[in-house]
Amino acid sequence: DAKTTQPNSMESNEEEPVHLPCNHSTISGTDYIHWYRQLPSQGPEYVIHGLTSNVNNRMASLAIAEDRKSSTLILHRATLRDAAVYYCILNGEGAQKLVFGQGTRLTINP
Amino acid sequence: NAGVTQTPKFQVLKTGQSMTLQCAQDMNHNSMYWYRQDPGMGLRLIYYSASEGTTDKGEVPNGYNVSRLNKREFSLRLESAAPSQTSVYFCASSRQPTLTGELFFGEGSRLTVL
Repeated sequence: DAKTTQPNSMESNEEEPVHLPCNHSTISGTDYIHWYRQLPSQGPEYVIHGLTSNVNNRMASLAIAEDRKSSTLILHRATLRDAAVYYCILNGEGAQKLVFGQGTRLTINP
Repeated sequence: NAGVTQTPKFQVLKTGQSMTLQCAQDMNHNSMYWYRQDPGMGLRLIYYSASEGTTDKGEVPNGYNVSRLNKREFSLRLESAAPSQTSVYFCASSRQPTLTGELFFGEGSRLTVL
């Protein structure tokens, strides 16, 4: 299974942009890049996914490197509610094969 | 719109007792999943049901059984609970188990086995 590497933790300030990196050097051509986040004491929630092109939605943007070996989740203007653990996951075999690693714990300072 | 509902939210069991965690979704999704999350860890898949009438083992199925009762409901049973099964359990659903499918999670059931 292709693996992802994320920093254990990151810190940012409220109302500033946040760039969460993910390395996936062994990604295969059919792997989609998914991001989920888990707020304290809640289940994970879907954030965004992409294959090759950059993607935007109401929650975030996903920037994918041209060689697809890394990606960055961008929160354009962090709020306190964005404090969560963010998981970068590769999906090449279907939702039943999603592997949630330890993710990045994002702290937002007021 | 309730989404994915899990019951109970909290449960304490003694070693050897049995219990069933219930999960229901109201989004007309075909696929449902049970995960466990241990402290400081990511989620690990226990069982999943790609569609009504089918169930398959995930990464950590030992000690658990599941039933896909109908399209809406997917239950997880611990026949003889062990302290190693102390964890937070999450149920999830998706339209299909595809490469692009979004998973919707419940709020979790915190289980302690003494």
